[in-house]
Amino acid sequence: SAVISQKPSRDICQRGTSLTIQCQVDSQVTMMFWYRQQPGQSLTLIATANQGSEATYESGFVIDKFPISRPNLTFSTLTVSNMSPEDSSIYLCSVRSGGSYEQYFGPGTRLTVT
Amino acid sequence: SQKIEQNSEALNIQEGKTATLTCNYTNYSPAYLQWYRQDPGRGPVFLLLIRENEKEKRKERLKVTFDTTLKQSLFHITASQPADSATYLCALDISGGFKTIFGAGTRLFVKA
Repeated sequence: SAVISQKPSRDICQRGTSLTIQCQVDSQVTMMFWYRQQPGQSLTLIATANQGSEATYESGFVIDKFPISRPNLTFSTLTVSNMSPEDSSIYLCSVRSGGSYEQYFGPGTRLTVT
Repeated sequence: SQKIEQNSEALNIQEGKTATLTCNYTNYSPAYLQWYRQDPGRGPVFLLLIRENEKEKRKERLKVTFDTTLKQSLFHITASQPADSATYLCALDISGGFKTIFGAGTRLFVKA
């Protein structure tokens, strides 16, 4: 298993600004994922972030809007750029360790854009 | 279109009974299916994984079945307790296991 922390846990931001969310893992992992979850909805994968390569974005998500960094095997950041109220959501990072398929999630970052 | 369906309505059961949650999917052929638990304000927590060649998997009071013909998984919690109250998410591993997609989840309430 892995223990994951995220910062900030929540934030209220103004339209047009950017927020960077940090994800820290207590062990080295190859695959990290960023998800978005709107209230009552399923998790939607934003991108997969593997260390040493560019993040792979899912349909509907672009690097200019959601730039991701993965400087090492225990850390990643997701930036939500030029925010609008539609970006209000919970953002979660997760990891998969070794050859297993189960994912371990951080507690999430609750973002409100006004 | 490809999708995962879980009962959108909440499931209310009495303590001690067995809770059964359903996950149906279309247009996928997943090698693995997973179940997660999510409590309010928290990230999902992994519970069980079942492979396509496994019909049933058990872990303590939890049991998962996987029918690749029906494209359905059933998740059972036996002797349910109020502490089992949470949202349960079904997830499929696709794209050779490099991508996991999640259902919207079913909210379970266990009354004492």
